[in-house]
Amino acid sequence: GENVEQHPSTLSVQEGDSAVIKCTYSDSASNYFPWYKQELGKRPQLIIDIRSNVGEKKDQRIAVTLNKTAKHFSLHITETQPEDSAVYFCAASIDTNAGKSTFGDGTTLTVKP
Amino acid sequence: DTEVTQTPKHLVMGMTNKKSLKCEQHMGHRAMYWYKQKAKKPPELMFVYSYEKLSINESVPSRFSPECPNSSLLNLHLHALQPEDSALYLCASSHPGYEQFFGPGTRLTVL
Repeated sequence: GENVEQHPSTLSVQEGDSAVIKCTYSDSASNYFPWYKQELGKRPQLIIDIRSNVGEKKDQRIAVTLNKTAKHFSLHITETQPEDSAVYFCAASIDTNAGKSTFGDGTTLTVKP
Repeated sequence: DTEVTQTPKHLVMGMTNKKSLKCEQHMGHRAMYWYKQKAKKPPELMFVYSYEKLSINESVPSRFSPECPNSSLLNLHLHALQPEDSALYLCASSHPGYEQFFGPGTRLTVL
């Protein structure tokens, strides 16, 4: 089955700095890679996703890059703000019907004002 | 309506009780999911329903019994749970192959 590894497990940055979280996956058939943000006591919410036919996607301060050959994808947050503090999960799945999304173990991001 | 709702928000039950968790969505999603999440851990998939049929059961103990009465509703029936089953239970829904929308979860405590 699919295995997703996520690094780092914790990340602390100063407000205004950039943050990068990296994930690797094992199943070359995986073709859909969402990133979820989970604030304390809240539900996970999608912040950005990418499919395997695209190498990069950007939405304002958030970007995701995908390297299919190396089987890794990364989340980039620029100009971080205290409200970016949360746990971030990457996931990988095969984009057919309803299938299993395999989650990484999560990264706790703390943005210090 | 772009939200997944779950009831109850909190549930405390004894090991001999029978209770049910409920999940509802009106986004026309045909895939619905149950996850279990422990503190500081990722969501752990339990069940997937696709077009109201159970498509994935991640070897979940039989004390957890899912049910999908129609395309908008998903239930999780609980019976004879163990203290280690205490967790946040999340429901999610999606169009198959697209982002999952999570409900707020039910915080379950088994005494």
